[in-house]
Amino acid sequence: DTGVSQNPRHKITKRGQNVTFRCDPISEHNRLYWYRQTLGQGPEFLTYFQNEAQLEKSRLLSDRFSAERPKGSFSTLEIQRTEQGDSAMYLCASSLGVGLNQPQHFGDGTRLSIL
Amino acid sequence: QKEVEQNSGPLSVPEGAIASLNCTYSDRGSQSFFWYRQYSGKSPELIMSIYSNGDKEDGRFTAQLNKASQYVSLLIRDSQPSDSATYLCAVNEKEYGNKLVFGAGTILRVKS
Repeated sequence: DTGVSQNPRHKITKRGQNVTFRCDPISEHNRLYWYRQTLGQGPEFLTYFQNEAQLEKSRLLSDRFSAERPKGSFSTLEIQRTEQGDSAMYLCASSLGVGLNQPQHFGDGTRLSIL
Repeated sequence: QKEVEQNSGPLSVPEGAIASLNCTYSDRGSQSFFWYRQYSGKSPELIMSIYSNGDKEDGRFTAQLNKASQYVSLLIRDSQPSDSATYLCAVNEKEYGNKLVFGAGTILRVKS
């Protein structure tokens, strides 16, 4: 069990550019979640996958955001035409998808800074 | 709007004391509750989960749940300077594990 892995750890880009983040969940976990966290706030839910199916998206997730999880393994989160307000820590979490309320385990996050 | 409320702190306690962290939630249908610890610049780390009314103990940590009062708490006994962090309360919105709703966190400072 190597934990949830996220890449890159840091991303600095200019406003208007596209960025893509990757998340590799714990190997036996079939649920994968994306959250966004800004300074002084708790993480806010963005979207989640059960295997390869994207089952829920937050209203926070504008049309500029898209997430995929091909083959139910790793996931990518892409932000198109980045804006200053997109600067945040993007966190990925995974959990088992069976049983009662399995805890979510977080990766180290990708910190995005928009210049 | 379903909410999770925490006192932002900072809560300052002396080394060796008991730290008491509190959380209230608005969704009466919530089924599961979690406490995460987050060090500055790091990601949240799960420390406790609780699903039934009452107390659950794990080492120096005790989680308490009162669904009637919609209240969750975390007690840290024999607090250490290494416990200094932000503690996040999180609540599952649906019974079988969809999204977590987080509070803004309570900053804990343990003074040696």
